[in-house]
Amino acid sequence: AQRVTQPEKLLSVFKGAPVELKCNYSYSGSPELFWYVQYSRQRLQLLLRHISRESIKGFTADLNKGETSFHLKKPFAQEEDSAMYYCALSGRGDYKLSFGAGTTVTVRA
Amino acid sequence: DVKVTQSSRYLVKRTGEKVFLECVQDMDHENMFWYRQDPGLGLRLIYFSYDVKMKEKGDIPEGYSVSREKKERFSLILESASTNQTSMYLCASRRPQGGTGELFFGEGSRLTVL
Repeated sequence: AQRVTQPEKLLSVFKGAPVELKCNYSYSGSPELFWYVQYSRQRLQLLLRHISRESIKGFTADLNKGETSFHLKKPFAQEEDSAMYYCALSGRGDYKLSFGAGTTVTVRA
Repeated sequence: DVKVTQSSRYLVKRTGEKVFLECVQDMDHENMFWYRQDPGLGLRLIYFSYDVKMKEKGDIPEGYSVSREKKERFSLILESASTNQTSMYLCASRRPQGGTGELFFGEGSRLTVL
């Protein structure tokens, strides 16, 4: 069985401060990890995936297989980063994509 | 731009009614998904379809069924709606790409069962 855990429901940071959203997973095979984001009144959309090893909107995430984690980080949070963030997992070659419970981020001026 | 369209944004139904939620995508994606989104629980997979006429149960299929007769359309059916099925329902589609494909979501259908 695959499982994604996001331990923080809410995260509040000040503009310009670093932000880190935690994601831990459980999966026996080779995982594919993603972060999805939902801004207010918008559709859920892909933010980044570990296989791309890219930085999107200043966010990065590193897959740590030893700790089974895929934490999302940004060194300087902006007000437009306020949103709901979901970590998601799929097995390589698998169709099923499982999501965590989500973390609501509020960036204060 | 990929477009995933859910036919109903808001529905109010009574307990015991049969409910159809329709989803159409226009990018010839093989995989389609139905999730429900609840505060504190995140997105939970109800059913997914990896190709036409193919379907598999997700994590919470009880009380739901699906239909995929055409590649572009994936329907979620609540045979007899109950109040605990009040939720936001999200449809999504993607190309498989070995499990790495990006999911494209619809705007959601908010169902209230009275």
